[in-house]
Amino acid sequence: QQQVKQSPQSLIVQKGGISIINCAYENTAFDYFPWYQQFPGKGPALLIAIRPDVSEKKEGRFTISFNKSAKQFSLHIMDSQPGDSATYFCAASREYGGSQGNLIFGKGTKLSVKP
Amino acid sequence: NAGVTQTPKFQVLKTGQSMTLQCAQDMNHEYMSWYRQDPGMGLRLIHYSVGAGITDQGEVPNGYNVSRSTTEDFPLRLLSAAPSQTSVYFCASSYRNPPGEQFFGPGTRLTVL
Repeated sequence: QQQVKQSPQSLIVQKGGISIINCAYENTAFDYFPWYQQFPGKGPALLIAIRPDVSEKKEGRFTISFNKSAKQFSLHIMDSQPGDSATYFCAASREYGGSQGNLIFGKGTKLSVKP
Repeated sequence: NAGVTQTPKFQVLKTGQSMTLQCAQDMNHEYMSWYRQDPGMGLRLIHYSVGAGITDQGEVPNGYNVSRSTTEDFPLRLLSAAPSQTSVYFCASSYRNPPGEQFFGPGTRLTVL
């Protein structure tokens, strides 16, 4: 079974701090790595995504760092705010490849940002 | 656009009962999928469809059936509910296949007694 391993399971950060969530994947054919954000009682929503032709992608306070050789990628949330408190899921898939285009999700990280 | 809609929002079933979870999207998306979310397990793919008339199994398909007679609708049927199917179910859709960005519905919380 292809897996995406996510850590930590939960994370508590003070307001203004940096939140870091890590993911590792096994299938070297994966070439699309999104992060989804889920608030309680809601469906997940795409936050940011990266493809392996770049090592970093930044959108506002959110940055994905990608290490192809280590098969790892991480989400950094700068200046974390209480409104960032949510569950974050990393995922991976092949962008072209039939059923391998289906997203494989990590198990999620519950982030709490304390005021 | 309403996006991806799911009904019902909550449902309680007894073991052995059957039911259908409804999912519809108004974005003309080719790709639709069903996930279940359990604590500590992330999102696991049940079934997916790459277009009307085409469906396939995901990671955890046992006990579930799907059909895709129209582009808009993708219902999930539980044939004989079991307590192990207690979960939150999410439907998602995407413009193309392979999926790229997926748009999720608000979910259906199902309890099987």
